[in-house]
Amino acid sequence: DQQVKQNSPSLSVQEGRISILNCDYTNSMFDYFLWYKKYPAEGPTFLISISSIKDKNEDGRFTVFLNKSAKHLSLHIVPSQPGDSAVYFCAASASAGGTSYGKLTFGQGTILTVHP
Amino acid sequence: EAGVAQSPRYKIIEKRQSVAFWCNPISGHATLYWYQQILGQGPKLLIQFQNNGVVDDSQLPKDRFSAERLKGVDSTLKIQPAKLEDSAVYLCASNQRGHGIPGANVLTFGAGSRLTVL
Repeated sequence: DQQVKQNSPSLSVQEGRISILNCDYTNSMFDYFLWYKKYPAEGPTFLISISSIKDKNEDGRFTVFLNKSAKHLSLHIVPSQPGDSAVYFCAASASAGGTSYGKLTFGQGTILTVHP
Repeated sequence: EAGVAQSPRYKIIEKRQSVAFWCNPISGHATLYWYQQILGQGPKLLIQFQNNGVVDDSQLPKDRFSAERLKGVDSTLKIQPAKLEDSAVYLCASNQRGHGIPGANVLTFGAGSRLTVL
């Protein structure tokens, strides 16, 4: 049962344009969402997150949007740079009794390629 | 701040052999996780420790996988005997509760240990 899905295995964009990576989830208990970036031979690195009490969170060139009714989130990168080329993972977690747990459920990942 | 250290980075073994991976989390991080990432998939949680106690090992194949975190710092993940389907990257992560938004957890991952079972 894939609770977090990234339906696009890959995305190719031109430098300077917008990159939009999508993620869908099925578990309504998820209340915190994260995006991780992964370069080859390295571990995933945290990029940006959003709590379910918000619908948008921005950090520099990166913005994450959350649509709870659709159980959908997206990551926007503007402008895209060649150094952004990596695998992007969407992840979700559920709080329990007010104490959050770091158990993350990951999507399959989307390979982003930004062409110069 | 030093990151999460893992070793070995690469390991090739034959099926039915055993292997062990080591992880040293970020200093002061009480919670430690082992994730398994099979090629083409996202990481999947195997086990979660809080200090030296197990919080969640529901997805750990206990007939062949074992993990311990003695003294609440370093951790070791062992596979015995290994199967072909255990070929994956084993990622260790740790986190500091309260980072960022209250109630949220952001994990810091190590570079991983890549296991190939022939």
